[in-house]
Amino acid sequence: KAGVTQTPRYLIKTRGQQVTLSCSPISGHRSVSWYQQTPGQGLQFLFEYFSETQRNKGNFPGRFSGRQFSNSRSEMNVSTLELGDSALYLCASSPRGGHTEAFFGQGTRLTVV
Amino acid sequence: GENVEQHPSTLSVQEGDSAVIKCTYSDSASNYFPWYKQELGKGPQLIIDIRSNVGEKKDQRIAVTLNKTAKHFSLHITETQPEDSAVYFCAASINLGSGGGADGLTFGKGTHLIIQP
Repeated sequence: KAGVTQTPRYLIKTRGQQVTLSCSPISGHRSVSWYQQTPGQGLQFLFEYFSETQRNKGNFPGRFSGRQFSNSRSEMNVSTLELGDSALYLCASSPRGGHTEAFFGQGTRLTVV
Repeated sequence: GENVEQHPSTLSVQEGDSAVIKCTYSDSASNYFPWYKQELGKGPQLIIDIRSNVGEKKDQRIAVTLNKTAKHFSLHITETQPEDSAVYFCAASINLGSGGGADGLTFGKGTHLIIQP
């Protein structure tokens, strides 16, 4: 069974631009969560989608948004990029949601210059 | 919200010895506690998890123990091998049982485990 696939693996963007990251969950998994990983703050929860609905949201500004499609694939969007948004963005899928048995992808490394 | 503290931040052990990593959590409603291993350039890999109705769980060389009263849980790795070298993260979350969960996984800051040959 294929794992969680995130694209692209690396991105370089300029301050003020927007970016869209993509995540394909493990086949059959209906829940997709997004996390931001930085050296200073560690791993922080952004949001969870289940059956195309955002179920939970972490403490991030409204510039961070996401969506989930009917095939469970998810996208995350960050608008008006700031230097502090530079991070590894990780997607995790789980079979039943509730953050149990969450399997992570390799992440998208975003650098804002 | 939940707060997870993890110690130590760095742990160096001789190959073949045991390693123990400890975490404490603050929210007594948390009922799901996974451990992840992250190697350089990769995403976190789920290695073992435990739910609040269980005190201990083992899988070959790794085990996790949970003390709900004290609100702490630990990862034990026996007979350590070079491939165990990585950063290990503990996490906690509230699983609402109907497939829902509040607030996502809250992670500790990580432990860099170094296995000395």
